[in-house]
Amino acid sequence: DVKVTQSSRYLVKRTGEKVFLECVQDMDHENMFWYRQDPGLGLRLIYFSYDVKMKEKGDIPEGYSVSREKKERFSLILESASTNQTSMYLCASSSPTGKNTEAFFGQGTRLTVV
Amino acid sequence: ELKVEQNPLFLSMQEGKNYTIYCNYSTTSDRLYWYRQDPGKSLESLFVLLSNGAVKQEGRLMASLDTKARLSTLHITAAVHDLSATYFCAVVTNAGKSTFGDGTTLTVKP
Repeated sequence: DVKVTQSSRYLVKRTGEKVFLECVQDMDHENMFWYRQDPGLGLRLIYFSYDVKMKEKGDIPEGYSVSREKKERFSLILESASTNQTSMYLCASSSPTGKNTEAFFGQGTRLTVV
Repeated sequence: ELKVEQNPLFLSMQEGKNYTIYCNYSTTSDRLYWYRQDPGKSLESLFVLLSNGAVKQEGRLMASLDTKARLSTLHITAAVHDLSATYFCAVVTNAGKSTFGDGTTLTVKP
């Protein structure tokens, strides 16, 4: 079974704090993604990575950065958390080739910034 | 920019009825996915559609893909309460990046 594990289910942080969201996958997938999900706005792509140390901005990268030092781990960083970053964050991984190319999602991290 | 549009966004149906959810997308792609999300949970893959004319079925759900019309459908047959969830379609570009529709929240009532 593919497993994508996010480090926290729930997080509460203060405005201005630096926040790290960690994601680990065990299927040797090349691609990894960070989305945020807000009511009425669907899933919006923040960043994705198609290889170690490679990253591309998604649709809403402002206020976020990412790090991928190892293939299995993709971190999302909020440099200075703000209340408008309160959201559900979903990490996913996929393989770009082969029979099974769908995205596998982690359980999500619900972040509240106060 | 790739756009993926689902409709309807909200669907309330009675048990035993049939209905279809539509997913239109704006640029060429030959890979489309359907996911299910239960309240408070993450997304799970339902179907992978990899070519024009592809049809996949599991239980009361059937998905199809028409790449020429840039349209996928998710058909629900004889709905049951357990199918209540939010359903997303997603289109994948050559770079492997997925763009999701806004989701269709399905409520099946007795």
